[in-house]
Amino acid sequence: AQSVTQPDIHITVSEGASLELRCNYSYGATPYLFWYVQSPGQGLQLLLKYFSGDTLVQGIKGFEAEFKRSQSSFNLRKPSVHWSDAAEYFCAVGVPLGGKSTFGDGTTLTVKP
Amino acid sequence: GAVVSQHPSWVICKSGTSVKIECRSLDFQATTMFWYRQFPKQSLMLMATSNEGSKATYEQGVEKDKFLINHASLTLSTLTVTSAHPEDSSFYICSARVGTSGPGANVLTFGAGSRLTVL
Repeated sequence: AQSVTQPDIHITVSEGASLELRCNYSYGATPYLFWYVQSPGQGLQLLLKYFSGDTLVQGIKGFEAEFKRSQSSFNLRKPSVHWSDAAEYFCAVGVPLGGKSTFGDGTTLTVKP
Repeated sequence: GAVVSQHPSWVICKSGTSVKIECRSLDFQATTMFWYRQFPKQSLMLMATSNEGSKATYEQGVEKDKFLINHASLTLSTLTVTSAHPEDSSFYICSARVGTSGPGANVLTFGAGSRLTVL
């Protein structure tokens, strides 16, 4: 079975600073990888996804993520954080044949003015 | 496109009563929907997979008689919390598979969630 680890429970960055949220996965083959964002009291919104091909994927709101097979990682990055980016971020892994997605425990992002 | 509407967004009920939460796909047909429970500051816990026209598949440890799931049409799945108790208070979220095959079948669209408080 697949698993996802988000090592950082809480990250605080200053507005305008760069951001990197870490995600490590465990799966025997190349998984499908996702990043979702959740604002307080809301559902999750898809930021970006990786299925195959180019290992650097672009998403919405200026986010990008890089798939590194050798490190089993799919870290989320943003060059300049905005106050509105403060939220909970979830990394998820899916498997072929439409299996269930597995979510990490989430990273809470706080943005300082 | 691919919008999921979840209703109600919050509900308060008395202990012992039942509560129904609806999850609708507004602009696409969802043969598969998922129901999650989320505790404060925690990740999503998958409760069950809801398939249109068939019985839901429940995750281990989830009481199927307590959390009734019905997926009678391609656009609507419902979760009924029966005989609710204070420990059932939680944030319940549904999601739907956007695609039906290939990698796209793993892309999920989420409802906005339903906050249940049982007094």
